[in-house]
Parts: sequence; structure tokens; C-alpha cells
Amino acid sequence: DTGVSQDPRHKITKRGQNVTFRCDPISEHNRLYWYRQTLGQGPEFLTYFQNEAQLEKSRLLSDRFSAERPKGSFSTLEIQRTEQGDSAMYLCASSPGTGGYGYTFGSGTRLTVV
Amino acid sequence: GIQVEQSPPDLILQEGANSTLRCNFSDSVNNLQWFHQNPWGQLINLFYIPSGTKQNGRLSATTVATERYSLLYISSSQTTDSGVYFCAVDESGGYNKLIFGAGTRLAVHP
Repeated sequence: DTGVSQDPRHKITKRGQNVTFRCDPISEHNRLYWYRQTLGQGPEFLTYFQNEAQLEKSRLLSDRFSAERPKGSFSTLEIQRTEQGDSAMYLCASSPGTGGYGYTFGSGTRLTVV
Repeated sequence: GIQVEQSPPDLILQEGANSTLRCNFSDSVNNLQWFHQNPWGQLINLFYIPSGTKQNGRLSATTVATERYSLLYISSSQTTDSGVYFCAVDESGGYNKLIFGAGTRLAVHP
């Protein structure tokens, strides 16, 4: 297993366009998380899944954001009608949910809205 | 919600020096992790340490849960230790969301 994979690594889009990011977690991890990080700040929680069920969504996740995890494997995060304020690093993490092994993060997708 | 404060916000070291980073949290936690974010943005899990002490090479961490703080020790620092160190906590203990501090930015000079 090569860890948590995110695609793409970088995305530049025009304001108003829709974008979709993908995250492939560690295969045996049943929990998957999305975070957003802006320059100079710590990551902020967006949402998380246990298997295919979305268990919590942050108030940061406006109606323009939607996340899915079909079949409890990979996850997608879609942002509709992007705004300049959406420019950030979007990080995905996974965890086994037990055992004290903590969370493993992917390398992130850096979104720039121009 | 729980508050996480890290200190110092910035730290500059000469290679070979030792340092201690601190994380204070405002409520009881069942999960605490230390991460290192390298200059390319990758967050590396250093320690899962809700209580007690752990060591991994030149790094060690101690969490005193009853006093609501954790310390990360870096000994014999190297230039590759540069980056941002984050403390993150989960108050629920159920592997739910992590709340991150603002980080300590470390620069190690040769």
C-alpha cells in the first residue's frame, strides 16, 4: 500500500467553474476525512466518512461543496461555482478507526481560483 | 469547541541544537497527534500520543492529559527538520475530526 493518494496535485480554474478532487485512502482504513488549509494556517476540518456514510460536515462546507464516498473506497470532493476564496490546499486523510495508529494524510490538492 | 494553542509560533535553530515545542488544549482529549508539514506541504504523522511518552529517533513526545498539554522534543536538530509542526486533538476519542493548532514554524540553519 502506498499511503493516501490525492489527484490532481495542482488545479488552476477560472472563477465560476466546477472542480472535483479525488482521494484514495489506505485500503484497510474505514474512515476518510477532508480538510482545507490556507496559507499560514493549520488544516480545518471539512467532513468525514465511515465507510460510505458521511458522518459529519463542518459549517465551512457551504452548499457549493459536496463530498461522496461510494462503496466506502475512494472519495471525491466537488466544488461548484468556484470563488477566489476557495483557493487553498485540500487535504485528505484516512484512519483505521481503532488501534491507536492515528491519521495518515495525502499530499493534498492545491487549488488556485483565478 | 476545544481550543488548541501552540508555542512558540516561530523558532530558529542552529543545526545540532535541541528544542521543545508545546501544545496546550482547553478540554479533555482522547486523541492527540503531532505532525510535521514539510516545505512541499506533506503532513507526516510523527506521534499518536493521547497520554504518556514516546520516542522515535531524535524526536520524543510527552502528553500530560490531566494538565492538558503535550511537548515535542527535537534533539540534535538537522536542516531536514525545518517545516511546520502541528499538534492536533480529537476530544471524542472516536477517531472523529481533528482540531489543529496554528503550528510552530521551525527553521534549522546549517
